[in-house]
Amino acid sequence: EVEMVESGGGLVQPGGSLRLSCAVSGFTVGSNYMSWVRQAPGKGLEWVSVISSGGDTYYADSVRGRFTISRDNSKNTVYLQMNSLRADDTAVYFCARDLSTGNYNYYWGQGTLVTVSS
Amino acid sequence: QTVVTQEPSLTVSPGVTVTLTCASSTGAVTSDYYPNWFQQKPGQAPRPLIYSATKKHSWTPARFSGSLLGGKAALTVSGVLPEDEADYYCLLDFGDVRVFGGGTKLTVL
Repeated sequence: EVEMVESGGGLVQPGGSLRLSCAVSGFTVGSNYMSWVRQAPGKGLEWVSVISSGGDTYYADSVRGRFTISRDNSKNTVYLQMNSLRADDTAVYFCARDLSTGNYNYYWGQGTLVTVSS
Repeated sequence: QTVVTQEPSLTVSPGVTVTLTCASSTGAVTSDYYPNWFQQKPGQAPRPLIYSATKKHSWTPARFSGSLLGGKAALTVSGVLPEDEADYYCLLDFGDVRVFGGGTKLTVL
């Protein structure tokens, strides 16, 4: 059974850093495309980043240069390192897994809330 | 910056057929963008409905269908039920980035 559990969210001051984790079971992160998607309170979904099975990484313009996606195959975990955080980064952050090319974000975690505020 | 546009809101009566659309600021949406559609209800994670423009998941009700229509991706609900009231999001793949539409709030009255 596939399970994806995000953690690491919390309250952080503007300019600060936070690392989110997505621990998975039922499949291996190193063999799949894994994404981070966020949703600001009362707002829509925003694609943030993806790491391919080959390790290539891609980012939304809004986070490029500040956020870094990575994975640890030995821990079967995907991370999102978030630096230089701003108030508009406040959101629930979901991790998601693609099933195949064109079949995106098939599995979702329940999300972790990040609040950027002084 | 690429923008993906959906109708912000639609209100329909039960039993009608409604079509939600998904447009790209870059031009016509084709199968090359692998349109995906998601349904989200309050307090829940999004649930995939349609992938690669037209393909359904095993749990997708038969009344939901995806298509490419007039240069846009489209999600049609044939015979809307009260439980279809939700937010619907499309996702397009531009190769190096993926972009969600702003979402359509579907209200069933």
